[in-house]
This record gives sequence, structure tokens and C-alpha cells, in this order.
Amino acid sequence: DQQVKQNSPSLSVQEGRISILNCDYTNSMFDYFLWYKKYPAEGPTFLISISSIKDKNEDGRFTVFLNKSAKHLSLHIVPSQPGDSAVYFCAARRMGQNFVFGPGTRLSVLP
Amino acid sequence: KAGVTQTPRYLIKTRGQQVTLSCSPISGHRSVSWYQQTPGQGLQFLFEYFSETQRNKGNFPGRFSGRQFSNSRSEMNVSTLELGDSALYLCASSLSLGQGASYNEQFFGPGTRLTVL
Repeated sequence: DQQVKQNSPSLSVQEGRISILNCDYTNSMFDYFLWYKKYPAEGPTFLISISSIKDKNEDGRFTVFLNKSAKHLSLHIVPSQPGDSAVYFCAARRMGQNFVFGPGTRLSVLP
Repeated sequence: KAGVTQTPRYLIKTRGQQVTLSCSPISGHRSVSWYQQTPGQGLQFLFEYFSETQRNKGNFPGRFSGRQFSNSRSEMNVSTLELGDSALYLCASSLSLGQGASYNEQFFGPGTRLTVL
């Protein structure tokens, strides 16, 4: 039973446009969420996080939105750049417990 | 500050053998977590160690075990390897799984690619 879902295995976006990556979760006790980016042959790198007391967090081109009632979060990348092409993982946790990761979405930004 | 290091980077074993993977966390980080990544499955949590104690455990069989040393370095062991154990094994370190981004952010190593033949 996957507690964190990323229903789009892949996404293609034109350079300069917005990329929107989605993540749904089932456990209402999750209180902290993160997005990671992973390039081939490298470990995931932390992108941005959001606590359940917020509904938006912004860091440069990256914004994460959290809709607790829908148990949904999304990552917006504006503008998208070819270097953003990677696999993006969403992760969630309850305080004091381990992170649960989604299966990932492969983003391709086309020049 | 040096990042998380994992050794070896690549490993080929045969069914029935055992394997030990090593992880050195970022200096000062006391929490080390291990994950298994397979295509389409994302990162599956194996276990987390903090101050030499296993603090959390995922849903993996007892063939998967780990330990942490006093210097926070961690090892993961898989015994009686099966073909399905072929995966990328990732180690991540953090200050702790506590409050705040600086505590929760996990820094990942490059992983060990294990192939079981």
C-alpha cells in the first residue's frame, strides 16, 4: 500500500515554461514534506520542504504547494531549464518517523 | 564539508552470498538511514540508526541488517542474496529526524549499485 503516490511516471515540458509535479499521500498524520531531485548515478539532492502548518513555500524558481484537505502537494518550477531534467521524488513523514518516498517522476525539459 | 560517502560504488554477487555495504555520514550527523531503490518503486526505507541504535525499521526481511559505530559510520549487511536484491542502495545522513528543516534534511550518498547474478 503506497502511502505516497506520484501518478505521473514522466513529464515533458518546453524550456522556459512551467513544470508542475504532483504528489498525493494517504496518511493524514504526515506533517513534513520534501522534494528531492535525482540525476543518474548520483544520490538524490534536497530541493525544498514544507511543514504541514504552511500551504506554500518558495525558493527561487521552486515553489511547493500543500493542500492538506486534499492530501496533495505539488512542485512548481518556473521557468523550467534543461538542467532541471531529472527524476523528482516527493517524501513525507510523521514526526519522529522515517520518510516515505514516492516512486518518482522523470522530468524532461526540452530546449 | 565532505558529503556522504558510500563504498563500494558497484558490486556484483551471486545468489546465496552475503554482502556488506558501508556509509560514512557528513561530519556531525548522527542519523544514518538506508534505502533501497528499484525501478518504479522509488526509495524503500530499510532502517535508520541514531547514536548506534536502530531507531526505525522498514518492512524488509531479516536478511537485511545494519549497524552504526561510535563515529556514526554505518554498515548494511544482506545475507543469502536473492536476485530481487539487485538494486541501488542509498545511504542518507542528517542531524536528526527532529523539528525544523535543518534537522530533517537528509543528505544522500551516491549509492552502491548491487547486482545479484
